Amino acid sequence: DVKVTQSSRYLVKRTGEKVFLECVQDMDHENMFWYRQDPGLGLRLIYFSYDVKMKEKGDIPEGYSVSREKKERFSLILESASTNQTSMYLCASRVGTTGELFFGEGSRLTVL
Amino acid sequence: QQQVKQSPQSLIVQKGGISIINCAYENTAFDYFPWYQQFPGKGPALLIAIRPDVSEKKEGRFTISFNKSAKQFSLHIMDSQPGDSATYFCAAKGGDNFNKFYFGSGTKLNVKP
Repeated sequence: DVKVTQSSRYLVKRTGEKVFLECVQDMDHENMFWYRQDPGLGLRLIYFSYDVKMKEKGDIPEGYSVSREKKERFSLILESASTNQTSMYLCASRVGTTGELFFGEGSRLTVL
Repeated sequence: QQQVKQSPQSLIVQKGGISIINCAYENTAFDYFPWYQQFPGKGPALLIAIRPDVSEKKEGRFTISFNKSAKQFSLHIMDSQPGDSATYFCAAKGGDNFNKFYFGSGTKLNVKP
């Protein structure tokens, strides 16, 4: 079975803290993605990576960075968390250019 | 600017009824149109998908209708069941970046017993 695992399901952080969201996939997929899900806005792409150490900005990259040191792991970093980054964060992976997206269960981040 | 517009935002249907969710897009370069289903506390999962060379695709009780000239596509859930209660997202992929999926805003479906 395909598996995308987001290690932290719920996090509460304070404004200004550095936050790491980790995602691991066990399918040997080249492509990995970070989305943000907010009510009424759907899923918006933050960053994606098509290979180790490669990354591309999505539609809302401001305030975020990413790291992909190994093929199976893709991390989302909030250098200095702000309250408007309170959201559900979804990681996804995909094989090649024609495969479907497989999502993790999400990490709900609250920034106080 | 939202690339894919989805309606309605929420939908209540009686058990056994037909649920219909609509999406519209602008970019004619999109080449893949999936629908994702998300249950509370879970990530979205692919439900059904269609490519623009086909006008309809059916899988069990779920059907996608695709109108290329109108740049619209819709999800029909026949004989809706309480277990179908979830949030549904349409999406489109393609254009200038083959790796980017553009999602609609989501429809929360509630099927009443």
